[in-house]
Amino acid sequence: SYVLTQPPSVSVAPGKTAKITCGGNNIGSKGVHWYQQKPGQAPVLVIYYDGDRPSGIPERFSGSNSGNTATLTISRVEAGDEADYYCQVWDNGSDHPYVFGTGTKVTVL
Amino acid sequence: EVQLVEVGGGLFQPGGSLRLSCVASGFTFSNYWMHWVRQAPGKGLVWVARIHGDGSNTQYADSVKGRFTISRDNARNRLYLQMSRLRVEDTAVYYCARSLRGRFDPWGQGTLVTVAS
Repeated sequence: SYVLTQPPSVSVAPGKTAKITCGGNNIGSKGVHWYQQKPGQAPVLVIYYDGDRPSGIPERFSGSNSGNTATLTISRVEAGDEADYYCQVWDNGSDHPYVFGTGTKVTVL
Repeated sequence: EVQLVEVGGGLFQPGGSLRLSCVASGFTFSNYWMHWVRQAPGKGLVWVARIHGDGSNTQYADSVKGRFTISRDNARNRLYLQMSRLRVEDTAVYYCARSLRGRFDPWGQGTLVTVAS
């Protein structure tokens, strides 16, 4: 089945930019969704279809996708952005239609 | 407000059974695919099962195929997961989630299922 690989952790200072990668074979041909999960809470969709933001998600969150890597970018990082982030793709014709990345813990220094 | 609330978790024995429920509100439930996604303690998210809006089509992850059954009651806005032949490795927080074009939004708050003797 399809595998999505993320770095286990990313550290960033407040006010700086965090970039979280999601690697997969030809992932650029798929739509990638990103979720934020804070401790003890359910995941929240922050980016869908590579770079679209749901209502209520700050413009500081953006995404891109090309080749074998998708990237979630958090600009002007705030303490409240500290969380786990997961990428996800959908392959409707597959026996394993929904695949999540391994997850990245973002720590705000 | 779109809301999903799961109930039914707890402590269960290996080989046992349980049924999780998810109550939906704030949207036309029958218009959407619905899903169960689980997260073992300290681990990542794993998709478990999905069901079409009218209940006609279901699909499962290999790890639960033949043991778990997803179903829905559109008249009562409820999603279910019947879990049988439980294994220790089924221990996880189980989330119900609505999907639209492959993305999950929103998610319920989750319910913890612990399988242990």
